[in-house]
Amino acid sequence: DARVTQTPRHKVTEMGQEVTMRCQPILGHNTVFWYRQTMMQGLELLAYFRNRAPLDDSGMPKDRFSAEMPDATLATLKIQPSEPRDSAVYFCASGLGSEQFFGPGTRLTVL
Amino acid sequence: AQSVAQPEDQVNVAEGNPLTVKCTYSVSGNPYLFWYVQYPNRGLQFLLKYITGDNLVKGSYGFEAEFNKSQTSFHLKKPSALVSDSALYFCAVAGSNDYKLSFGAGTTVTVRA
Repeated sequence: DARVTQTPRHKVTEMGQEVTMRCQPILGHNTVFWYRQTMMQGLELLAYFRNRAPLDDSGMPKDRFSAEMPDATLATLKIQPSEPRDSAVYFCASGLGSEQFFGPGTRLTVL
Repeated sequence: AQSVAQPEDQVNVAEGNPLTVKCTYSVSGNPYLFWYVQYPNRGLQFLLKYITGDNLVKGSYGFEAEFNKSQTSFHLKKPSALVSDSALYFCAVAGSNDYKLSFGAGTTVTVRA
């Protein structure tokens, strides 16, 4: 049963620290999405890759967030420096065509 | 720009009764419409989608949704709800060329025994 995996599942860090979240998409999927979920804003698209190329990162604060796909089996989302307002659940999703499969998420708490 | 509205924050029904979760959308061109469900502390799970074809779409766990172009709606339905259907439900819309999803705010469904 193919699944999107995300690590870590939980992360607590202090303001100013660097945070890296990792995602392994389902093998063969050519699109990868990063979403952020908060109570106030709901689900927001942060970044979107197709065939490892970044197509849209307009939803991401550029000064502190960066997203990459160093290879087809790994996508990363980095926050540097982190701030308390970054506390949220970050989801990765992968897809082939219209349907997206979501990972379990990384719950980030920035103190 | 594309957007989705879920007018109800919460829906409460008794087990065995019909369940409806409402969704309206706004998008340029032909819409790709989706329903996802989220259980506590879990990721989103795909329920069903409408791309083209029959306006009534059947999905997982006995759910179905009806695409209504004139009303720009895509309501989720289940004829007989189960307690295990209690969860957070999201409607989403994507443009036809990039599959970027715009989600609604979500509707919390509670099915009481």
